[in-house]
Amino acid sequence: GESVGLHLPTLSVQEGDNSIINCAYSNSASDYFIWYKQESGKGPQFIIDIRSNMDKRQGQRVTVLLNKTVKHLSLQIAATQPGDSAVYFCAVWRAGGGNKLTFGTGTQLKVEL
Amino acid sequence: KAGVTQTPRYLIKTRGQQVTLSCSPISGHRSVSWYQQTPGQGLQFLFEYFSETQRNKGNFPGRFSGRQFSNSRSEMNVSTLELGDSALYLCASSLDPRGDTEAFFGQGTRLTVV
Repeated sequence: GESVGLHLPTLSVQEGDNSIINCAYSNSASDYFIWYKQESGKGPQFIIDIRSNMDKRQGQRVTVLLNKTVKHLSLQIAATQPGDSAVYFCAVWRAGGGNKLTFGTGTQLKVEL
Repeated sequence: KAGVTQTPRYLIKTRGQQVTLSCSPISGHRSVSWYQQTPGQGLQFLFEYFSETQRNKGNFPGRFSGRQFSNSRSEMNVSTLELGDSALYLCASSLDPRGDTEAFFGQGTRLTVV
């Protein structure tokens, strides 16, 4: 089966600094790796995904890096803002599996002013 | 465009009772998935429904069941509630019937079993 885990339960950063959230996965057969953000009182919200045949993908202020050799995924947030404070989850998805996502345990990002 | 709507938002039930939670997906989305979120286990996949059929199932006991109606609205039911069923139950809808990495989540139903 699949397992996904995040390295740190909590990460504190200063406003304006870059944040890096790390994740490890076990199943090499996953086709996509995804990051979700969950703010207090809300459901998770899609941030960005990366296909398994890529090693880097950039979005607006976010970059996802995939290292398949060590089965490691990271989310980099540039110029972290107070609105980035949330719990971040990595997840994996496999084609042919419908809409089933396997989530990691989550990292709480705290942005200090 | 309205998002995913879950009702009720909060629920308190007694051990042994049963509960039904409701989810209305985004208009046009035919896939509805359910997840259980707890502090200890995180987000765990319960099941997915597509075109009124269960397409995927997670590792939960048979007390957890669901269904989907012809208008894509979905309900999940938990029978013989246990204290450990206290959790946030999240519903997500997806557009692509083949599967999609982008799921749209509702705000969840917070179930407390006492």
